[in-house]
Amino acid sequence: NAGVTQTPKFQVLKTGQSMTLQCAQDMNHEYMSWYRQDPGMGLRLIHYSVGAGITDQGEVPNGYNVSRSTTEDFPLRLLSAAPSQTSVYFCASSTLSGTVMNTEAFFGQGTRLTVV
Amino acid sequence: AQKVTQAQTEISVVEKEDVTLDCVYETRDTTYYLFWYKQPPSGELVFLIRRNSFDEQNEISGRYSWNFQKSTSSFNFTITASQVVDSAVYFCALSERSGNTGKLIFGQGTTLQVKP
Repeated sequence: NAGVTQTPKFQVLKTGQSMTLQCAQDMNHEYMSWYRQDPGMGLRLIHYSVGAGITDQGEVPNGYNVSRSTTEDFPLRLLSAAPSQTSVYFCASSTLSGTVMNTEAFFGQGTRLTVV
Repeated sequence: AQKVTQAQTEISVVEKEDVTLDCVYETRDTTYYLFWYKQPPSGELVFLIRRNSFDEQNEISGRYSWNFQKSTSSFNFTITASQVVDSAVYFCALSERSGNTGKLIFGQGTTLQVKP
């Protein structure tokens, strides 16, 4: 079982460059999300989606775009990379009961992004 | 406002010692879920346990046990007879019905170092 597949694992960008972090899940989960992890701050929600064609902003959405054209895929786009976006990014998928996550979230392996 | 606090930033113990990781949460919802995740040095997030707000039973899984007390809004995690392989960052997280749909609110994490 693949679970949540996230690519790439490592990336170095120059300030101003754009890139897309890929995320795919094979569990038919309706809910997918992107988090960033920074030292001492836990994980913070960037964007999320409750199904194909539906996305919404999380806690720290600025500088990022998402789309959800299929149930399986949920890419995260950095429009113009900035050093403040240096972080570890995690994609996650899960089921929902109404609006609450009632089962475990499955996380990808993470992407360590450095913006210089 | 929803919040998860892990007051212990770092804990260091010697192998075979018992250790308790504290987690205190804040929520106004009556329906919510609490989670613990482990992040070993390899970086992935490993699900450990889920507990819903209506189930205050403590749980034991091998050397791991969890104490959920709604009266003190705490969901503490105890490792009995710790081992070097337990060295990791541990996150407590909350999912509640209100706020961003499906959002997992993470604590800052507790780094556990188990020395041989």
